[in-house]
Amino acid sequence: DSGVTQTPKHLITATGQRVTLRCSPRSGDLSVYWYQQSLDQGLQFLIQYYNGEERAKGNILERFSAQQFPDLHSELNLSSLELGDSALYFCASSAGLVPETQYFGPGTRLLVL
Amino acid sequence: GESVGLHLPTLSVQEGDNSIINCAYSNSASDYFIWYKQESGKGPQFIIDIRSNMDKRQGQRVTVLLNKTVKHLSLQIAATQPGDSAVYFCADGNKLTFGTGTQLKVEL
Repeated sequence: DSGVTQTPKHLITATGQRVTLRCSPRSGDLSVYWYQQSLDQGLQFLIQYYNGEERAKGNILERFSAQQFPDLHSELNLSSLELGDSALYFCASSAGLVPETQYFGPGTRLLVL
Repeated sequence: GESVGLHLPTLSVQEGDNSIINCAYSNSASDYFIWYKQESGKGPQFIIDIRSNMDKRQGQRVTVLLNKTVKHLSLQIAATQPGDSAVYFCADGNKLTFGTGTQLKVEL
């Protein structure tokens, strides 16, 4: 158990819909990272938040957004969903700002029908 | 573009043998690399990391070698066990880019 929790574990929705994925980092970790893992693209970094502020952006679509709340939990919002958004979405956390040892959650499996 | 990649999609080894998983990277400025293990149905798990000021780093049953001249790193697993069966990724620890992964299969 990494100490990072993600909800829900599974999510099935339809194209055009909007969903919110939730992540709670390990106790004491200030950075949260979101990743998308699909069969054809592998593991792709989406975005990093540190202590409530956006710090780094990867291959995140404009239809996707995230935020980190004062209690350090984070949410990833996916809107106008397309079939191609079906993937595993992982959250990871680390203690500090700079990339270092990250602890991954169990992931949310999203299926868009 | 800049990337990290893995050489083989699948590697099969006998239990007790040593495993070597390779990874190449393209950005000569990359100075921090991480190896992750991902078991089926789980998130990636940190195994070991290495910075560019080192050529070798050892952990428990694992060794990472970094060759900056040819932009190559490898993960060596000693005395491979069935529990080592997983997908292994190398990652650029600064750019947060990941290789496509090597599936390690341990045969009894």
